[in-house]
Amino acid sequence: AQSVAQPEDQVKVAEGNPLTVKCTYSVSGNPYLFWYVQYPNRGLQFLLKYITGDNLVKGSYGFEAEFNKSQTSFHLKKPSALVSDSALYFCAVRDMRQAAGNKLTFGGGTRVLVKP
Amino acid sequence: DSGVTQTPKHLITATGQRVTLRCSPRSGDLSVYWYQQSLDQGLQFLIQYYNGEERAKGNILERFSAQQFPDLHSELNLSSLELGDSALYFCASSRTGLNEQFFGPGTRLTVL
Repeated sequence: AQSVAQPEDQVKVAEGNPLTVKCTYSVSGNPYLFWYVQYPNRGLQFLLKYITGDNLVKGSYGFEAEFNKSQTSFHLKKPSALVSDSALYFCAVRDMRQAAGNKLTFGGGTRVLVKP
Repeated sequence: DSGVTQTPKHLITATGQRVTLRCSPRSGDLSVYWYQQSLDQGLQFLIQYYNGEERAKGNILERFSAQQFPDLHSELNLSSLELGDSALYFCASSRTGLNEQFFGPGTRLTVL
């Protein structure tokens, strides 16, 4: 079974400060990892993904994430947060093995609040 | 705009009723996924279709069913509705199972 944990329900940062949203995962095989963002009354928007290769993945809107296999983590980062980054962020994992199917398992979400 | 469309945006109905939610995937995407988002359960995978065939099943109740039609649009049917079925239902699509999924705006279902 695959699972994702986002240990922080909420993260508050001041505008211009670095932002980190934590994610740890568990899968039997190798993972595909994703970050999505959800603004109020909107669907989820894809930010970035890790499949293989470089452990540092760059995505949309200045976000990046670092894959750490030994710590089974995939933390989302942004060097300088904007007020407009305030939203709900979801980490998701997909097991690479064919038998596991294509479903994404999501974490519980982390609400980010960036204060002016 | 992800290119995935869902109708209706909002649906209010009574317990015991049946509703149908509709999803049109992005042009060229063969896979369609359905998810349920609720406050107590979070975001849960329900079911996936690939080119008309069921590919994977998640936490989908027996009262719920889905299908994908030859034009690749999909419908999620929810029957014998209960108060606990009130949630946001998202459809997502992807080119293949290896690609990221793109989500529609969701259908908010309220069961009274």
